[in-house]
Amino acid sequence: GEDVEQSLFLSVREGDSSVINCTYTDSSSTYLYWYKQEPGAGLQLLTYIFSNMDMKQDQRLTVLLNKKDKHLSLRIADTQTGDSAIYFCAGRDDKIIFGKGTRLHILP
Amino acid sequence: DGGITQSPKYLFRKEGQNVTLSCEQNLNHDAMYWYRQDPGQGLRLIYYSQIVNDFQKGDIAEGYSVSREKKESFPLTVTSAQKNPTAFYLCASADTTGGAFFGQGTRLTVV
Repeated sequence: GEDVEQSLFLSVREGDSSVINCTYTDSSSTYLYWYKQEPGAGLQLLTYIFSNMDMKQDQRLTVLLNKKDKHLSLRIADTQTGDSAIYFCAGRDDKIIFGKGTRLHILP
Repeated sequence: DGGITQSPKYLFRKEGQNVTLSCEQNLNHDAMYWYRQDPGQGLRLIYYSQIVNDFQKGDIAEGYSVSREKKESFPLTVTSAQKNPTAFYLCASADTTGGAFFGQGTRLTVV
């Protein structure tokens, strides 16, 4: 079945760009998602990309999809303290399968 | 106000009891999902449903049951057969254009 892998931690200085990476195994994923989770809360959908797209940009967020390498990334421009959270990538065919999440820590 | 509503936010259960978690959506989504999240962990799929009156087991269905009698509702029952039920439970719904949205979760504690 689908497996989704993410690095567990990322530290970034405030004002720099953050790049969170994800790899997935199932090429049949129709949609690929990025979610943000703050402590004690549910998951907030940040953005998603259809599998036939290469890139999607939405304000400070840029998603890149490399289908050949099955690699998905989320770039957050001008990282702020409010971006501190856990970020999950997920792939959807009939199920939605999640990675274990990347904890983003913002350095002053 | 459209969205997904999970209730209650906090739930306490005695060992040996069944308990049902509510998930309601008014987004007209066909697909609904239940996940379990343990501290410091990712989300593991319990059950999912693509259409009314049909549902499939996810990766950790043992000790859980669901029903999908209405499009808007996908309740999850945590049975006494679930050996370690204390966790954060998240419900999601998704549409055919791609959007997949979560409720705010129910934190279940066995006392």
